[in-house]
Amino acid sequence: SQQGEEDPQALSIQEGENATMNCSYKTSINNLQWYRQNSGRGLVHLILIRSNEREKHSGRLRVTLDTSKKSSSLLITASRAADTASYFCALFQGGSEKLVFGKGTKLTVNP
Amino acid sequence: NAGVTQTPKFQVLKTGQSMTLQCAQDMNHEYMSWYRQDPGMGLRLIHYSVGAGITDQGEVPNGYNVSRSTTEDFPLRLLSAAPSQTSVYFCASRPLDRGHGYTFGSGTRLTVV
Repeated sequence: SQQGEEDPQALSIQEGENATMNCSYKTSINNLQWYRQNSGRGLVHLILIRSNEREKHSGRLRVTLDTSKKSSSLLITASRAADTASYFCALFQGGSEKLVFGKGTKLTVNP
Repeated sequence: NAGVTQTPKFQVLKTGQSMTLQCAQDMNHEYMSWYRQDPGMGLRLIHYSVGAGITDQGEVPNGYNVSRSTTEDFPLRLLSAAPSQTSVYFCASRPLDRGHGYTFGSGTRLTVV
């Protein structure tokens, strides 16, 4: 079934460094979404990128989409300890209304 | 504050008991859904609804029942709880247009003993 797969599963960096995580998928998409989940909390929507877009920015976040490679990347610049969280990509399964999530990348930003 | 409200936050059930997890949103979103999150499994879709009176199954619907009588509410019923249903449950909503992100509730942590 259509599901994004994040890579790496876990990432540990120092404050101030950039963090990059990737999402690969298998079939065509309408859009791809990124979410953040702090420990013990609900998910928070970060960015949605449509299939006809190649790059999108939101503050310190930059998302790219390469539909030819069926992959997306989330870059967090100048990371902070507060960015410590799990990050998920999500996309719609086929033409359905079902949004499916990958298993996530766990990011740790050390002070 | 506008958003998705889930109750209760924590619940312990005995095997075989039934209960209803509540979800309410005040953003007039047509689409609502229930996910469960287990360690190492990510989020899995249980049931979803595209509007009042319309529901459909997700990836893992067995053992759960839903109904949508109003736009605001989307309760999830566990008919006969099993230990395999121990999980964290999240409710989420969005406008019907797929070009919007989802708003998630803060979750219900359920333990079945």
